[in-house]
Amino acid sequence: DTEVTQTPKHLVMGMTNKKSLKCEQHMGHRAMYWYKQKAKKPPELMFVYSYEKLSINESVPSRFSPECPNSSLLNLHLHALQPEDSALYLCASSQGLEALYGYTFGSGTRLTVV
Amino acid sequence: AQKITQTQPGMFVQEKEAVTLDCTYDTSDPSYGLFWYKQPSSGEMIFLIYQGSYDQQNATEGRYSLNFQKARKSANLVISASQLGDSAMYFCAMRASGTGRRALTFGSGTRLQVQP
Repeated sequence: DTEVTQTPKHLVMGMTNKKSLKCEQHMGHRAMYWYKQKAKKPPELMFVYSYEKLSINESVPSRFSPECPNSSLLNLHLHALQPEDSALYLCASSQGLEALYGYTFGSGTRLTVV
Repeated sequence: AQKITQTQPGMFVQEKEAVTLDCTYDTSDPSYGLFWYKQPSSGEMIFLIYQGSYDQQNATEGRYSLNFQKARKSANLVISASQLGDSAMYFCAMRASGTGRRALTFGSGTRLQVQP
């Protein structure tokens, strides 16, 4: 299995809702990443997990809360989001934090905040 | 610091022609990896080709080849025999070793449109 699976593919949520994005991989990768991508812009790094521990937080607002319950699963919990948080959220994985190759991306969750 | 620069916001190419997408990078690390990804309108990030900094030969994958000029710090993507399905956004990315940013850094992207 050489895939990163993200669910849901599309999500519409109100500003008072709580929702979660899910990312799963079964390649034995030990580093997992969340990126945020606005329209016509490159992906921007949000969080990095290494061996299920948070390694990098790129000064992301606390309304985004990541969680890595096991080596295959990465969640992004969303609460009290703003319309400007509407974007494509991409998950990726690699063999490890020091890997210089072999990054695999999921197909993304397209989030709309209303 | 790591930096990736793509200077072509948009490119047009005729079907069956070859096209070169430019990418320059900046890093002080001796060991790094360079990537090209294709992103169609559906949003998925599709891996195309990889070049390691110590690789002696330019990488090739089917119709994709990477013109790697280390001294000039450039890693241009060449797509031969363009197809209509090649129309998409293309991102150059880098991962450098060392104690710097431990994740892929992306360029701003080039939107390629293939015309029939």
